[in-house]
Amino acid sequence: AQSVTQLGSHVSVSEGALVLLRCNYSSSVPPYLFWYVQYPNQGLQLLLKYTSAATLVKGINGFEAEFKKSETSFHLTKPSAHMSDAAEYFCALGGFKTIFGAGTRLFVKA
Amino acid sequence: GAGVSQSPRYKVAKRGQDVALRCDPISGHVSLFWYQQALGQGPEFLTYFQNEAQLDKSGLPSDRFFAERPEGSVSTLKIQRTQQEDSAVYLCASSLFTSSYNEQFFGPGTRLTVL
Repeated sequence: AQSVTQLGSHVSVSEGALVLLRCNYSSSVPPYLFWYVQYPNQGLQLLLKYTSAATLVKGINGFEAEFKKSETSFHLTKPSAHMSDAAEYFCALGGFKTIFGAGTRLFVKA
Repeated sequence: GAGVSQSPRYKVAKRGQDVALRCDPISGHVSLFWYQQALGQGPEFLTYFQNEAQLDKSGLPSDRFFAERPEGSVSTLKIQRTQQEDSAVYLCASSLFTSSYNEQFFGPGTRLTVL
């Protein structure tokens, strides 16, 4: 069965600190993986996607993610958090029926 | 407009009422998706269309839920005899093609509250 697990429903970091949001997936076929961000009262916006071209994927706003097949992981990172990064982040497994993780809410402290 | 739009943004219904939620996808996008997002959860797939054809409706929770896209553009999600458990944000998304690697563009959602 296909699934996405996001470890940690809430993550809190200080401004300027490293951001690490964890995502593990289960898929019987080579996966297409996405990270989306959702700001309050808004729809989801694509941060980045993995489509097998390169294992390290760079996205918008300084975010990147690394696909690790051996660990079935696709963790999202950003070297230095900014206050504007505070939002909900969703990892998703692509398909005709996209499967989303439960989300991780990122808090950024001044 | 350039993005996906949804209306209304907020809807309050009394239990038992019927509601209709509208989605205007990005012009030219072939695929359209509906998701239900409960409080504190990720979006869950409801149904999707390729042009006017509804290719998968396996995520619809009950036969009270019905979606249509008659001309391959605007879509409507209808919920009959609403129940409290239907309270959620309903998200619409569109994509240029139907494929596993295509980005979906999301609307702002309709927040439905059933009293």
